[in-house]
Parts: sequence; C-alpha cells; structure tokens
Amino acid sequence: DAKTTQPPSMDCAEGRAANLPCNHSTISGNEYVYWYRQIHSQGPQYIIHGLKNNETNEMASLIITEDRKSSTLILPHATLRDTAVYYCIVRVAPEYKLSFGAGTTVTVRA
Amino acid sequence: GAVVSQHPSRVICKSGTSVKIECRSLDFQATTMFWYRQFPKQSLMLMATSNEGSKATYEQGVEKDKFLINHASLTLSTLTVTSAHPEDSSFYICSAADRGSNNEQFFGPGTRLTVL
Repeated sequence: DAKTTQPPSMDCAEGRAANLPCNHSTISGNEYVYWYRQIHSQGPQYIIHGLKNNETNEMASLIITEDRKSSTLILPHATLRDTAVYYCIVRVAPEYKLSFGAGTTVTVRA
Repeated sequence: GAVVSQHPSRVICKSGTSVKIECRSLDFQATTMFWYRQFPKQSLMLMATSNEGSKATYEQGVEKDKFLINHASLTLSTLTVTSAHPEDSSFYICSAADRGSNNEQFFGPGTRLTVL
C-alpha cells in the first residue's frame, strides 16, 4: 500500500471547520483513501473513504485532488469531542489490511 | 454502523499466566478479523489476520506460539497471550471486516492488558 504523510498535530477552534491534510503521492489507481480516528483509549472509528470523487457523510467531507496525490478531511464544525488522532490510510480494495501511520493529533479548543 | 465488542476491557495478570481476549461482531458476520497491538503514544501495529475456519496469518516479528488466535465462528475470534510477561502489557484491539458494508473494518473498543 502507498505511504501517507500527515502533520503530527494541529489545533482548531470549537465550532470552526477543521481541515486535515494528507499526502499520498505514490497512490495507485486502484487504491482508496480512508480516514479513521482514535479517541484516547478507544478503538479506531471509521470516518469516510473515497477513490476519486469527493465524498461527504454525516461526519465529514473528503476532498481528493484531481491527481489523487493528496486529500483533505474536513470536519465542518469541530466540537471538543472531535479531539482525537486522525489516520489517513491508503488501501487497495478488496485487500483488507490497514497500515496505520502516526496520524495527526487534533486538539479542539474551546 | 456495525458493532464489534471485546471482552474483557481491562485485565491485570501475573507474569507467566495466559490471558484470553474475545472479539465479537454483534450484528454482522465477519469472515476476517484482525488483531492489533498499541503501545503507549504509538500507532496501531497489525499483529495477525484471522480468517474463519483457517489458520491465522501473522505479521513479521509476531510469535504465533505466543499469540494464539482462534476464529471458530463468523462472529467470534479469540487472542490468547500465552505465558504473558510485563513487555506484553499493551492495548489490544480487534477489528472485523463486514462484507455487507463493502469490507469496511469496524474496530472493537480495545482491551488493556497489564502484566505484573
């Protein structure tokens, strides 16, 4: 699976949008971009995934650049409960393995 | 979304004993389950992939005789840490792939193992 690069940490203000970048410059045509998050001492939680098109669900939006070498996860209105480590993972479907990198530690401040 | 449970959530044991951790998919069938380990302030590391009815596939560096995995049914996988030592103290997390949801992995809440 292609490697991803994320900033180690970022702060954002409660109520504001949080934009989390991820670089995956070696992504292959059949690899999906997945986002998970892990709140302290809990199991990871699936957020969203996409291949080429932008995606939106009740939790977040995923913007993938046209060349697919990078993506941005957008939390539209961050709350204190969104404080977590966010992982951007590239995965070939239907390959099941998920390789977790260091992720981005997001701290939402009041 | 699909729910995965783990039992126990916390366990403290003496060095040399064996500990069994259960992972259950509550509302879906999982032909594949995964076991991860997470040390403090580190990311999740995949230990093994467990397929129902067959032997688990272990990642490089993970001792299969120490970490016994059994996936006896479509909803249950177990991880047994044999002859546990303090260095095995960690957060163990399982996940299950739901074929009905395009193979998305859903994670359990984790089990905190402390070996004294």
